[in-house]
Amino acid sequence: DAGVIQSPRHEVTEMGQEVTLRCKLISGHNSLFWYRQTMMRGLELLIYFNNNVPIDDSGMPEDRFSAKMPNASFSTLKIQPSEPRDSAVYFCASSLWGNEQYFGPGTRLTVT
Amino acid sequence: KQEVTQIPAALSVPEGENLVLNCSFTDSAIYNLQWFRQDPGKGLTSLLLIQSSQREQTSGRLNASLDKSSGRSTLYIAASQPGDSATYLCAVKGSNDYKLSFGAGTTVTVRA
Repeated sequence: DAGVIQSPRHEVTEMGQEVTLRCKLISGHNSLFWYRQTMMRGLELLIYFNNNVPIDDSGMPEDRFSAKMPNASFSTLKIQPSEPRDSAVYFCASSLWGNEQYFGPGTRLTVT
Repeated sequence: KQEVTQIPAALSVPEGENLVLNCSFTDSAIYNLQWFRQDPGKGLTSLLLIQSSQREQTSGRLNASLDKSSGRSTLYIAASQPGDSATYLCAVKGSNDYKLSFGAGTTVTVRA
């Protein structure tokens, strides 16, 4: 298995633009987590899906952030409009029933 | 709310020395504890997962212990090598929760 796949690996955009981050789960896994990592705040859980259903989105910072899971193996995290304070590394992680989590390589987002 | 602390924040040792990394957590009602490694600019790699019913897990030169009642876990890395240089994070999953609560990590440098 290729592991968790994220794209793009790096994204540089201007403030106000829409950003879409993508994640493909490990085959057979049914839980998906989106995290954000910054030096100041460490790793923060943004949203958790189980069997394609969002279970907890309390970590999503604002309405500018939205996440979807259109099928069992794929998810998107969208920021619209983006702001410089959104600059961070965004990780997704997959697991089976929320157990051992396997992280993707991350997307480094820079908003100028 | 689960609080996870890792001390020290940074550690520098000569090659060949054994490494001891500490993790403490405030709520002993855990489901499992996971140790991760993160290299600069990379994602998190799962090293070991200890279920709440287990006392330790071993993988090669790595050994992790868990004392749930005292809220502590220790990661031992035997005969350290420069390639072990990375940040090590521990994360705790609550017994009634799907979330992982992360420590801030210990950054290890192994000097050749």
